[in-house]
Amino acid sequence: DGGITQSPKYLFRKEGQNVTLSCEQNLNHDAMYWYRQDPGQGLRLIYYSQIVNDFQKGDIAEGYSVSREKKESFPLTVTSAQKNPTAFYLCASSRVGVGDTQYFGPGTRLTVL
Amino acid sequence: SQQGEEDPQALSIQEGENATMNCSYKTSINNLQWYRQNSGRGLVHLILIRSNEREKHSGRLRVTLDTSKKSSSLLITASRAADTASYFCATDGSLTGGGNKLTFGTGTQLKVEL
Repeated sequence: DGGITQSPKYLFRKEGQNVTLSCEQNLNHDAMYWYRQDPGQGLRLIYYSQIVNDFQKGDIAEGYSVSREKKESFPLTVTSAQKNPTAFYLCASSRVGVGDTQYFGPGTRLTVL
Repeated sequence: SQQGEEDPQALSIQEGENATMNCSYKTSINNLQWYRQNSGRGLVHLILIRSNEREKHSGRLRVTLDTSKKSSSLLITASRAADTASYFCATDGSLTGGGNKLTFGTGTQLKVEL
């Protein structure tokens, strides 16, 4: 089965802790993305990567970090510097090119206690 | 700020009726996409319409695009309870180094009742 997986589905974190969200794809896509979704809102782009070992900040990158050591994997770390991290996090991938469809994972719901 | 704004924010209809959702955007686009999101799940791509197209069909879905008005509509015909979900429009923009930045609207929550 081709697709994108995210883990864990639910994540609870204490204030001051860093947490890492996993995203893996076997679609052979070069581009991968991380979005944040707040209740009743659309998606906002955190980081994206077009190629291994390279990534760029999106619209709301502060307090987040990523790595892209493998084509298949694009983990997101939510750091303690992120002031309001409770949200639903979605990972997506696509071919590199304008207008290409993005394929989404099932999401991780992060709650800061 | 959000590029796309959907209207209405919420829509409740009976099974078998048609559902129409609208999306307005602000800047020029190459294409516009519609996605569906079931509660607590990821987004699923429904349909893409390019800026030089005016209408596109896919099964029970019909999408129109009016670039002069910077607006699009999604029509779901003969709705089913399983169509209950949130629907988002997304407009494209180029990213540094290539690739496709999507800017999402706030979504329309559709509820189809039996």
